Amino acid sequence: DAKTTQPPSMDCAEGRAANLPCNHSTISGNEYVYWYRQIHSQGPQYIIHGLKNNETNEMASLIITEDRKSSTLILPHATLRDTAVYYCIVRVYSGYSTLTFGKGTMLLVSP
Amino acid sequence: NAGVTQTPKFQVLKTGQSMTLQCAQDMNHEYMSWYRQDPGMGLRLIHYSVGAGITDQGEVPNGYNVSRSTTEDFPLRLLSAAPSQTSVYFCASNTGRSSYNSPLHFGNGTRLTVT
Repeated sequence: DAKTTQPPSMDCAEGRAANLPCNHSTISGNEYVYWYRQIHSQGPQYIIHGLKNNETNEMASLIITEDRKSSTLILPHATLRDTAVYYCIVRVYSGYSTLTFGKGTMLLVSP
Repeated sequence: NAGVTQTPKFQVLKTGQSMTLQCAQDMNHEYMSWYRQDPGMGLRLIHYSVGAGITDQGEVPNGYNVSRSTTEDFPLRLLSAAPSQTSVYFCASNTGRSSYNSPLHFGNGTRLTVT
């Protein structure tokens, strides 16, 4: 699976949009981009995923660049409960459920 | 709406003791896996299973055994605990029917300390 690069930490004011970047310059054509987050002391939580088109769900939006070498997770109106470590993962369908988690980005949402 | 259930939540063992971490899911998922999480290391895959009766090793399998006798359960066994196995353990599952876009569902973890 392709390697990802994320900033170790980011800050965001409550109510503002949080834009979390991820670089995956070695991504191949059949690899998906996944985002998970982990709130302190809990198990990771799936947020969103995509292949090449932008995606949106009730939690977030995922913007993937046209060359697919980077993506941005957008939390449109961050709340204090969005404080968490966010993991960007790229993964090809391989027939089983493994994911390779890096160190992620620690997002701190402040009042 | 249980999802993935892990027991116990906390456990303290002495070096050399054995124990089993339990994991059960009620979503009829084919795929199940175990991860450990250490400070500054992210999550690392220990073992995984693509269905009942089938298991395979992940990135850090040494010191752990698994079995998958039913679709619902995927226990993780520590035969002789070592301090290096102090960690937080997460179990996860997902469906295999469209696994190219099937997200993982995680339990809330077991916090294990080996003294």
